[in-house]
Amino acid sequence: QVQLQQWGAGLLKPSETLSLTCGLFGGSFNDFYWSWIRQPPETGLEWIGEINHRGNTKYSPSLRSRVTISIDTSKNQFSLRLNSVTAADTAMYYCARGGLGGAFDVWDQGTMVAVSS
Amino acid sequence: EIVMTQSPATLSVSPGERATLSCRASQTISNNLAWYQQKPGQAPRLLIYGASIRATGVPARFSGSGSGTEFTLTISSLQSEDFAVYYCQQFRTFGPGTKVDIK
Repeated sequence: QVQLQQWGAGLLKPSETLSLTCGLFGGSFNDFYWSWIRQPPETGLEWIGEINHRGNTKYSPSLRSRVTISIDTSKNQFSLRLNSVTAADTAMYYCARGGLGGAFDVWDQGTMVAVSS
Repeated sequence: EIVMTQSPATLSVSPGERATLSCRASQTISNNLAWYQQKPGQAPRLLIYGASIRATGVPARFSGSGSGTEFTLTISSLQSEDFAVYYCQQFRTFGPGTKVDIK
């Protein structure tokens, strides 16, 4: 059974860099794309970006200038970096597997990231 | 950029009743439309993909339909565990969600 599990810092100060890593267990990176999605408190879902097993990336236009997604297939993990965070970046961050006609069928449990001075 | 809208924002339904949730795209899209269920404190769960295909393990009371710009998620007989927020999604764009609560 494919599972995702992420880790990273949950409390940041403004201007710092958010860094999260998502580990893949029980599956392969091939044939899917691997996404980061966030959800501010009491708000809906926002796609951040994605990467495939070749390292090809796509990013949300609104975040492109601050986001980097990378993959390390040898360690079965992919990562998110978001520079220069502000309070507006406070959210639950999820990693997810994309495929199935564009749908996200596997999600991790999420990490709450708070940005506060 | 495609914009997804959902209606109603909140739907109050009694257990055992039928619930119909709508999702509209700002322009014609393929059938790459998915529906998710999210309960408090949990990650979203994929229910439907390809507009009408139930994901693995999803009960048959959940069904999806539609094409073009108009899509529908129907829950035929609401169970207590179905009270949640439901999101539609087309590729990298999510709708704002419909909250289904107890009437």
